[in-house]
Amino acid sequence: AQSVTQLGSHVSVSEGALVLLRCNYSSSVPPYLFWYVQYPNQGLQLLLKYTSAATLVKGINGFEAEFKKSETSFHLTKPSAHMSDAAEYFCAAGPININAGGTSYGKLTFGQGTILTVHP
Amino acid sequence: KAGVTQTPRYLIKTRGQQVTLSCSPISGHRSVSWYQQTPGQGLQFLFEYFSETQRNKGNFPGRFSGRQFSNSRSEMNVSTLELGDSALYLCASSLAGQSNEQFFGPGTRLTVL
Repeated sequence: AQSVTQLGSHVSVSEGALVLLRCNYSSSVPPYLFWYVQYPNQGLQLLLKYTSAATLVKGINGFEAEFKKSETSFHLTKPSAHMSDAAEYFCAAGPININAGGTSYGKLTFGQGTILTVHP
Repeated sequence: KAGVTQTPRYLIKTRGQQVTLSCSPISGHRSVSWYQQTPGQGLQFLFEYFSETQRNKGNFPGRFSGRQFSNSRSEMNVSTLELGDSALYLCASSLAGQSNEQFFGPGTRLTVL
């Protein structure tokens, strides 16, 4: 079964510092990968997605992620943290094979989430 | 374009009752997925509907059910509520439910007393 692991349930950075949130997936075939952000009492907002077109993916709000097949990783980074980045971040893996049928449709497998705190 | 909407936003029920949650997808999206989010278990997939058919189901008991209407709106139902059903229930829509990204609604916060 596909799984997603986020290293570090809490990450704390200073405003202006580098943000690095780690995500590893377990799959012999690279899945589609996503990063979502969740602010308190809200749903999930898509930051960026990897669908095999390019290994370095740029998203919204200055975030980007690099897909590394050899490391089965998809870490999220932002060069300079802002106070508004404080939220919970989720890495997710989508269906591996678009023709996989009933076992894959519409299912995202999420990591446990990483709460990002930004200090002034 | 309007986003995914979910109603109600908050619900309080007692054990043994049943509840129905509603989700309206983004216009043109035919796939609707449901997820349960709890502090202990995180985000877990419940089921996915496409063109009124359930195509995929997660590992939840039969008390959890859903349906989709011809206009792609979806409902999920939980019968015989248990305390452990307290959670944020999120609905997501996508064009086809596969490689396309899913767009999430704000969720329905269910509290079971």
